[in-house]
Amino acid sequence: SQQGEEDPQALSIQEGENATMNCSYKTSINNLQWYRQNSGRGLVHLILIRSNEREKHSGRLRVTLDTSKKSSSLLITASRAADTASYFCATDVGDYKLSFGAGTTVTVRA
Amino acid sequence: DTAVSQTPKYLVTQMGNDKSIKCEQNLGHDTMYWYKQDSKKFLKIMFSYNNKELIINETVPNRFSPKSPDKAHLNLHINSLELGDSAVYFCASSQVGGQEEAFFGQGTRLTVV
Repeated sequence: SQQGEEDPQALSIQEGENATMNCSYKTSINNLQWYRQNSGRGLVHLILIRSNEREKHSGRLRVTLDTSKKSSSLLITASRAADTASYFCATDVGDYKLSFGAGTTVTVRA
Repeated sequence: DTAVSQTPKYLVTQMGNDKSIKCEQNLGHDTMYWYKQDSKKFLKIMFSYNNKELIINETVPNRFSPKSPDKAHLNLHINSLELGDSAVYFCASSQVGGQEEAFFGQGTRLTVV
């Protein structure tokens, strides 16, 4: 069964708006990671947040982690057309198994 | 220099055939993975290897046999291909399991006809 599930499945926003997507997971984790996948390409790592961290920033990205609720969110601020992609969360539970969900597809309209 | 490279990028083959996908990483990582991405984009882990040793076999049919000749290579051989094997297969590597970021190859789109 899936460890991580992203919500919403799809998101369409105007350029310049913010995009927020959420990830819920089932078991305790060591860290949670977010990845981006452009159409027809491999996944690219965006940000890693460890279980003892609550918030992390990287450029226009902000990630939060709430281990009590077993959930994380990814915020992309001031979105651009180039942000159009699928975004995945992945969880590390310490057994050499990085588990992914089905992703959120984000479309940024010009 | 590509960090994780897998070949071929596209593979079209008939049911019943046997095929291989190769993967190489030049990052010096200890852990390598194979993932299968279905048409709904769900990424399912198939195998993970650490220092050439199989760590995870995620209930994959035994028609799928990974081989790691050294820690920089993890190849995937598939016997008796079935229609349901059609998917995109990704190879990835990381320094130590899931403790650090994973680097992905470009994917191999396998179509079984």
